This record gives sequence, C-alpha cells and structure tokens, in this order.
Amino acid sequence: AQKVTQAQTEISVVEKEDVTLDCVYETRDTTYYLFWYKQPPSGELVFLIRRNSFDEQNEISGRYSWNFQKSTSSFNFTITASQVVDSAVYFCALSEAWVTGANSKLTFGKGITLSVRP
Amino acid sequence: DAGITQSPRYKITETGRQVTLMCHQTWSHSYMFWYRQDLGHGLRLIYYSAAADITDKGEVPDGYVVSRSKTENFPLTLESATRSQTSVYFCASSEGLAGLSYEQYFGPGTRLTVT
Repeated sequence: AQKVTQAQTEISVVEKEDVTLDCVYETRDTTYYLFWYKQPPSGELVFLIRRNSFDEQNEISGRYSWNFQKSTSSFNFTITASQVVDSAVYFCALSEAWVTGANSKLTFGKGITLSVRP
Repeated sequence: DAGITQSPRYKITETGRQVTLMCHQTWSHSYMFWYRQDLGHGLRLIYYSAAADITDKGEVPDGYVVSRSKTENFPLTLESATRSQTSVYFCASSEGLAGLSYEQYFGPGTRLTVT
C-alpha cells in the first residue's frame, strides 16, 4: 500500500528565511508519480509540481525548488526567501502509474502548515 | 466559465437527510474524484471515476453514492447524512492515459455541516 509521511505538522518562519518541507513516501511500484499541492487560507488546492519516478533531476521554479531522492524515498520542497503569501498548508501526494484503471489515484500526506511572519 | 465547479459551496443539513453535492468540469477530463478533508487526516479519496458510467471506491466510500452519466458531471450523494460526514468535500478531475498519472485539478470545495 502507498503511504506519504509529512512528519512536520507546523512550521513558522520569518519572512525571507528559507524553509524546507519534508516528504517521505512508501510504494512497492517502480513507476510512480509525486506531487505537491498548496492550500492557502482561502481553501482551494493549487497544483505545484508533478514528478515521475524516473526523473530524479531537481527542479527549480522561481523561489520554489524540489529535491527528489529515490534512495531515501523523499521528495522535499524548499521555499527560498519566504514571503507572507507563502503561508498555506502544503500537501505531498503519491500516485501509482495507471495499470488497470487506477490512474491518478492520489494518496496524500497530512499536510504541513507553513506560517510566514512579516 | 471554464474549470471545475462545485455546488453548493456551503450546506447545513440534518442527520438522516439525503444530500447531493454537485461537481462539473469543462475540460472533458476522463477522470474525476471526490475527496473529503478533515483535520488530522488530510485528504482522503471517497470515490473516483475513470469515465462516464465507470466508478470505483476509494479509501472511505461508506455512506456515499456516486454516479457519472455524463463526462462533465460527477455528483456525490450522502444517502442518510451522519454527523461524522461533516467535512469539506473536494471534487477533482484529471486527464488519463495508460501508463501515466496526471495532476488533478480541484474544485473550490463544499463545506458540509450535518447537525
């Protein structure tokens, strides 16, 4: 069975600090996908990134970067120079590749609440 | 409007009543999903659908019924609402191709309170 663990439940930083959100996953499949979603205080879920298990290259998008390490089953998310607008709940999720109709079923971690203080 | 919408956005109902939450998407995505979000549990999958007339159970299906007669609609019905079904419900949709897993796009959510 798939499992996603986000051990950090709440993180509080001061604006401009860097912060890393940890995500550890478990799966028996060799082909799988990892995702991060953001849920700001307004409540909607915003897709941030999708990464497949064959692509271990780190990704950078502006102040956001992701570090995928299969050896430790981790897919960590770093926000550089955090801003107040980054305050949100961040979810890591795992999906197995489609086999028999199970396409895109996401298993979510419990989320990390990030508070960025001015 | 393009995208994925849910209605109602807020609903208060009494124990034992039947409630239907609506979900509509305009992308013609094959896959649609229903999740519930509760404190301490994150998001949990209730039901999903791979195409019109194809549905399957997720992690927490008990007490819920779904149907999908049209690609764009995926209603969720609570047949006899219980207080434990008080939650925020999210509908999502995604593309679907063999061997791939696409990101899901979520609706704005429905906050349901069962009294």
